[in-house]
This record gives sequence, C-alpha cells and structure tokens, in this order.
Amino acid sequence: ETGVTQTPRHLVMGMTNKKSLKCEQHLGHNAMYWYKQSAKKPLELMFVYNFKEQTENNSVPSRFSPECPNSSHLFLHLHTLQPEDSALYLCASSQDRDSPLHFGNGTRLTVT
Amino acid sequence: GENVEQHPSTLSVQEGDSAVIKCTYSDSASNYFPWYKQELGKRPQLIIDIRSNVGEKKDQRIAVTLNKTAKHFSLHITETQPEDSAVYFCAASMGSTLGRLYFGRGTQLTVWP
Repeated sequence: ETGVTQTPRHLVMGMTNKKSLKCEQHLGHNAMYWYKQSAKKPLELMFVYNFKEQTENNSVPSRFSPECPNSSHLFLHLHTLQPEDSALYLCASSQDRDSPLHFGNGTRLTVT
Repeated sequence: GENVEQHPSTLSVQEGDSAVIKCTYSDSASNYFPWYKQELGKRPQLIIDIRSNVGEKKDQRIAVTLNKTAKHFSLHITETQPEDSAVYFCAASMGSTLGRLYFGRGTQLTVWP
C-alpha cells in the first residue's frame, strides 16, 4: 500500500468550477511535489515544496494554486481550468531534495 | 529537443526473452538516474536507480547501465514475465537535485506468454 495518498481518484469539473486536489504522505518525508501526466508526454514537474516552503514553480499557469500547510499535506487548488488541463495529477514525496520519489496513485482530472 | 529521450516507445517480447530500453539525456550535470514502472491505472513505482559514480547496477532480473561520457543509460530486464508488462519511465536529475527530474516519454512493454 502506498505511503502517499491522493484524493479524489477521479474528478470531473467544468471550466468555471473551483476544486481542490489533496495529497497526504505518511512516510515522514520533508519534500512534496506535484507532477502532471498527460498522454504521450513526459511527466511534468509543476511544484516543489521543501519543509513547507515552495522552492519551485515550474512556469505553471496561475489557475493552478498549490498549498502546503505542513510537511505531510499538499493541496492543488484548481480554478477556471481549460480542457487541455485534463490529465493525471500525481503527488510525490521524498525524504529530502536528494532522495528518490514516492508517488501517490494520482487524480484523474477531466475538464469539460 | 527534449531533456530525456527514451526508446522505443513500445516493445513486445516473448516470455523469457530479454527487454532493453534506452535513454539519452542532455544535462551534463545530471547525476541520478531512476527508472519507474507504471502499471495501468496505478502510480509510478521506483524499480531501480543509479548514480553517476557507478557504471552498472543489478537487482535480480533488472539491471541498469550508465555511460556518462555518451550521456545514455539503459534498463535491462532478463527472463521477462507477463507481470513485467507496464509502462517504464526513465528519468535524469535536473543538475544535482534528485527530486527534480526530467522524465522520458515512457516505453510500453508487453510480455506475451
């Protein structure tokens, strides 16, 4: 069983909706990440948090807003998304910035 | 071009045969190279990784080789089994920071019984 839990597993939302993705890790890690996985494209790093501080925003549109209240929880707030934002959103954690990633099962997002 | 190129995109082998997936990278500062396996509808899982001070690493039926001069690394699976069927991703660290990875596009491996 994964030590990184993501909810919901599936989400369908309209372009005017506001929703949030949640990630929780039970591994005692200090770094957390959001990745986007689209068909036929490489996994794309979106955000990195290290000790609750955002250390990277990989040129992600402002309609995606991350939040990391503590080292165990990570959120991705979604607002006025576009159909091309439909993808699998993966959360990951690592012990620190120089350790292997552990992924959650992802949230399959469909924007209609 | 992409930071990490992975080939082939699809690979079909007979059970018991070997499978090889190759990746090249462009960032000369990369020093960590993990491989992930992703089964349909599941999360990517780390299966093996290698750091730049090592040329080869083996774990049972899985091995990875690294050629830093040529900037390429490969995954070798021997005695393949149907349960090896999945998408395999290679990755290379962005400089020296391991958590920030460039990923390849993935290889769909199918092992026929």
